[in-house]
Amino acid sequence: SQQGEEDPQALSIQEGENATMNCSYKTSINNLQWYRQNSGRGLVHLILIRSNEREKHSGRLRVTLDTSKKSSSLLITASRAADTASYFCATDASGFQKLVFGTGTRLLVSP
Amino acid sequence: DTEVTQTPKHLVMGMTNKKSLKCEQHMGHRAMYWYKQKAKKPPELMFVYSYEKLSINESVPSRFSPECPNSSLLNLHLHALQPEDSALYLCASSSDWNSGANVLTFGAGSRLTVL
Repeated sequence: SQQGEEDPQALSIQEGENATMNCSYKTSINNLQWYRQNSGRGLVHLILIRSNEREKHSGRLRVTLDTSKKSSSLLITASRAADTASYFCATDASGFQKLVFGTGTRLLVSP
Repeated sequence: DTEVTQTPKHLVMGMTNKKSLKCEQHMGHRAMYWYKQKAKKPPELMFVYSYEKLSINESVPSRFSPECPNSSLLNLHLHALQPEDSALYLCASSSDWNSGANVLTFGAGSRLTVL
């Protein structure tokens, strides 16, 4: 399976704290994406980082990519209760149209 | 319009029923997808339609039958399902292939329960 592995599986923090989640994958990629899923609903695209990029920012999100270690991290700064969701990395390692999702991190942000 | 609309939101069906899930987008996207998601698991790709033609079938059982009537619509026909097929079925669409990145826009999903 080309599925990425994410850790931690679950993360519980207080509002205002930072949340970091990690994604590892197995084969070479062209880009890596992060998606958020609120409970039982569709996924929302957050950010994309290409294989020739090392870091990318979008608002409170910071994504890093280390292709030598086949890993990526997503940092959410100054978290809010509304950030409570599951976060998935996704890669195109299996083909351009075959976006494969990682196992996901469930984030709980308490007020 | 930047939405993917899925109907119904919830569906309960028996193992002998025939039902369909529907998906619609008006963003001009030329690729549409069906994903299946079990509880606390990541979405798993089922089918991809590209320019209204089936381009990827991830060895999905024939009791699931996709259909793409036009570039805006995607259906998933269900027949003789098993209880283990109960899941959230997600439709997605994408474009922007010229940039070399395949970013998906997802619908809210159809939650299917097979009794």
